[in-house]
Amino acid sequence: EADIYQTPRYLVIGTGKKITLECSQTMGHDKMYWYQQDPGMELHLIHYSYGVNSTEKGDLSSESTVSRIRTEHFPLTLESARPSHTSQYLCATRGTSGGALTGELFFGEGSRLTVL
Amino acid sequence: AQSVTQLDSHVSVSEGTPVLLRCNYSSSYSPSLFWYVQHPNKGLQLLLKYTSAATLVKGINGFEAEFKKSETSFHLTKPSAHMSDAAEYFCVVSWYSSASKIIFGSGTRLSIRP
Repeated sequence: EADIYQTPRYLVIGTGKKITLECSQTMGHDKMYWYQQDPGMELHLIHYSYGVNSTEKGDLSSESTVSRIRTEHFPLTLESARPSHTSQYLCATRGTSGGALTGELFFGEGSRLTVL
Repeated sequence: AQSVTQLDSHVSVSEGTPVLLRCNYSSSYSPSLFWYVQHPNKGLQLLLKYTSAATLVKGINGFEAEFKKSETSFHLTKPSAHMSDAAEYFCVVSWYSSASKIIFGSGTRLSIRP
């Protein structure tokens, strides 16, 4: 069973607030990802990381930023939240086997953000 | 170009009848293929995966999928639907050589009628 945790699970905040969504994992995986998902819609990659001090933007442009100071943590920050940021944010990791990437992703339960 | 297409956005079946969720992919390289399930307000859970071993893959909760290279398909099936199977299902394609190249299908919502 995957050990990847996201907090908070639900967050309702006002416009202009700074928020940080936490993602932590205990599997020691180097590869981590943030996806954005609107209700009933597909997932869009917004950030990924190959390892410590490595972060890249994903396919979907996002005003959020990420950091990877430690292998276990991959927090996502919005400096000034807006209603257009209302969505579900899913964190995931990808492991390796024998030095090669395995295919599957392990997901957290998501953080549902509502900006009023 | 690599892509994945889930042919049905919504599938509705009666409890106890078979389930078929269709997925086609396009890839120039040998892919790994996955099916994930997502229940409301939850993350995605891996149902099963194909990684170039047996073409018929068995997963959790009675689901299975068959990789057909000639048809570039990876359809998900279950012989008998249960009410708890109602959820969103995603077909996913990835490649070992790229950390970021993971493509999600648009999802199929499965509804189960009593």
